[in-house]
Amino acid sequence: DTAVSQTPKYLVTQMGNDKSIKCEQNLGHDTMYWYKQDSKKFLKIMFSYNNKELIINETVPNRFSPKSPDKAHLNLHINSLELGDSAVYFCASTLGGNEQFFGPGTRLTVL
Amino acid sequence: AQTVTQSQPEMSVQEAETVTLSCTYDTSESDYYLFWYKQPPSRQMILVIRQEAYKQQNATENRFSVNFQKAAKSFSLKISDSQLGDAAMYFCAYRSKDDKIIFGKGTRLHILP
Repeated sequence: DTAVSQTPKYLVTQMGNDKSIKCEQNLGHDTMYWYKQDSKKFLKIMFSYNNKELIINETVPNRFSPKSPDKAHLNLHINSLELGDSAVYFCASTLGGNEQFFGPGTRLTVL
Repeated sequence: AQTVTQSQPEMSVQEAETVTLSCTYDTSESDYYLFWYKQPPSRQMILVIRQEAYKQQNATENRFSVNFQKAAKSFSLKISDSQLGDAAMYFCAYRSKDDKIIFGKGTRLHILP
């Protein structure tokens, strides 16, 4: 069984479109995250939710809006996509002070 | 703000040899966690090893061990008996009390047959 899953794994879209990436974890974790990994492999946190509440919101354009319908899901919606949004987006989850479990990543390409 | 520095963008090691990847961090906290993650070409992020700052004993996981020097804020990863499957990007990460994880820029490790 997949612990942290993301859909889709690949997403190719035109500039200006709106898209969503979904994330689900079946580990019973209470905290979920979104990270962006750029072309230089630098991994940066974007958002963190604990029990459906936003607790970390880094300096991210407000075109990015996370939504947590329940503590097992954290979706990422992106409006008006730009070329610079092309990256791999990782979802992760954790329980307490333990390590984060990562999803397989979603490679977003904006044309 | 906390920072994590990996000073070696790339390293190579002969198969079966030992290699050490360095990581330093900066923090004013006394209680935190440190991690090493591996990212192979499949891009999956895989936890290699974890260290709690309050523990003086260095963590080990089979061929992987760390040298944790809290006063020096250093957290290096030693890989013994390197195998071809160890080739990957390795990220050092710091987890702060407010649950934020900060990653270093990574070290790409090549294993030479």
